[in-house]
Parts: sequence; structure tokens; C-alpha cells
Amino acid sequence: DGGITQSPKYLFRKEGQNVTLSCEQNLNHDAMYWYRQDPGQGLRLIYYSQIVNDFQKGDIAEGYSVSREKKESFPLTVTSAQKNPTAFYLCASSIWVTDTQYFGPGTRLTVL
Amino acid sequence: GIQVEQSPPDLILQEGANSTLRCNFSDSVNNLQWFHQNPWGQLINLFYIPSGTKQNGRLSATTVATERYSLLYISSSQTTDSGVYFCAVTSMNNDYKLSFGAGTTVTVRA
Repeated sequence: DGGITQSPKYLFRKEGQNVTLSCEQNLNHDAMYWYRQDPGQGLRLIYYSQIVNDFQKGDIAEGYSVSREKKESFPLTVTSAQKNPTAFYLCASSIWVTDTQYFGPGTRLTVL
Repeated sequence: GIQVEQSPPDLILQEGANSTLRCNFSDSVNNLQWFHQNPWGQLINLFYIPSGTKQNGRLSATTVATERYSLLYISSSQTTDSGVYFCAVTSMNNDYKLSFGAGTTVTVRA
């Protein structure tokens, strides 16, 4: 059963804590992406990775970090430097960067 | 960066009605996708359509790349069509970043 999984579905964090969101895909896609969505708005790109061991900043990378050690996995860490981290986070993947992107179910992060 | 404008922002339909959603973009594109976001937040791919016309069941889409717009048609709408429809593009002059419009919220009433 191929697809993109994200965990957890809901995440609560105290101010000042780092938290890592998981994204795994078994579609054999080279490219992976992280987006942030705020209520009533479109998606904004945080980071993307074209290939293993490579990643690039998107439009709103400040306060976030990523790694791409395996083709299947692209975890996102929301650090304490992110001033307003409460949002819906979506991971996506595609065969290559210009191809159709497929999205996971998302993680809702709430900072208490 | 590239600007993506969607219209209308909100659309209320009676079940069975037809509708057209529009996406205007400010630069040449090499990728244009239409997505449907359901009430649980899942984004579903509808079309990958940087140019031309495609149809999938009651949905169809047309992109006129030279005039920098795309249209999504919903025919015989059903309540399950409710949700937010996003247009997203990658500019030929950008480094592979998919830029999203603000979306059109569609509500289909029974």
C-alpha cells in the first residue's frame, strides 16, 4: 500500500521546546517537501529536498530544520526559534521536482 | 516571486449545479496543479495541467499558458465536492518552488 505517512496527527508542545514531525514515503520518489498552512490560507513552502543528503530552504525556513539521510524519510524539526509555530504541517513528495506532488495527511501542531 | 490569484474566494452551490473556478498567475509556468482539500485537511490531486485540457469524471480543467490562467470546471456538483480548491504553480524562472493561491472555498448544499 503505497503512500505518504505523517505522524503524529496532532501534536502539542510547550513554548521553548523543539519538536520533530515525521514524514515517510514508500513511493520511491526522489523529491520531498514540507509546507505550512495557517487557517484560511494557502500553503507555504518551508524546505524541500531534491535528493538524499541535499535540501534547500523554501520561503519560510526560519525556525525550522530538516534532514534527508534516507530516500524514504524527511523529518522536520520545529525549533524554539520559530515564533509562531501553531499551524497545520503538510509533507509531500514527487518523482522529481517538476512532477506532480502528492501529499500526506498532515500534522496539526499546537503550542500551549 | 510568482503571484497566484484564485477567484472567487467563496462559492455556494446547490447540488446539481455547474461552476467554474479561475486561477491567474503572473509568470510563465512549467507546473500547474489543482488540488482539493477535504474537511480533514487532506490534499487530493485533481490535475497536473501546465497546458491544455484534461477531464476526470465530473471535473475538467483547462490551462491557457500563453494567457496565464487556468480554469477548473465542476459539473453536476455533489455535497462531497465541498472543500477548498487550490491552484499551485511552479515558475519557469524559479527554482522548483510550488506557489499556492489562497484557494476557493466551495460549499455544495443538498
